[in-house]
Amino acid sequence: EADIYQTPRYLVIGTGKKITLECSQTMGHDKMYWYQQDPGMELHLIHYSYGVNSTEKGDLSSESTVSRIRTEHFPLTLESARPSHTSQYLCASSWGTNEKLFFGSGTQLSVL
Amino acid sequence: GNSVTQMEGPVTLSEEAFLTINCTYTATGYPSLFWYVQYPGEGLQLLLKATKADDKGSNKGFEATYRKETTSFHLEKGSVQVSDSAVYFCALSDLGTYKYIFGTGTRLKVLA
Repeated sequence: EADIYQTPRYLVIGTGKKITLECSQTMGHDKMYWYQQDPGMELHLIHYSYGVNSTEKGDLSSESTVSRIRTEHFPLTLESARPSHTSQYLCASSWGTNEKLFFGSGTQLSVL
Repeated sequence: GNSVTQMEGPVTLSEEAFLTINCTYTATGYPSLFWYVQYPGEGLQLLLKATKADDKGSNKGFEATYRKETTSFHLEKGSVQVSDSAVYFCALSDLGTYKYIFGTGTRLKVLA
């Protein structure tokens, strides 16, 4: 059912590398979100967007940045990855108010 | 601020046992309430939702009723299966910010 895609599915990189996690949705949703999920399962909102050219920081401080140049695309960038960035990153989108979130399959990032 | 409190896991049950996962919330206004499920190695997917007081959401044998008087949205299933083993998240929509607030997740393990 979900038409929201995240790439790569798994990523192992060395410290100091710049990385971009891709997230795209084909549903025309105006709102998009990035969550970081720790090994204890808890979800932390790190970025969200209400629409094109709108981005906001979430509840958990993050060194990552995001952009929303096109409705369907919401990439997340880390300029210099560190081991503390090792985590599962989940992208989600929604439409309107009080509607459900659609989630991608996630990117499991490991920084060595 | 708005918040969701979810019972801690893990919860381990035998097949065909009755399941209850407790969820209570704090919110202003009338948010929508959701239960999401996350299977191993996957993103979250919507299990059920309710949009107003006394609404009952249901799907795949799971049910939850929006109880405004007790600010609760407990998840129940009469007879669990091994395939129900997953992590379950309770969530609400924040009407003011379009953000979604998640509980900490409850891991369910069903034994054959």
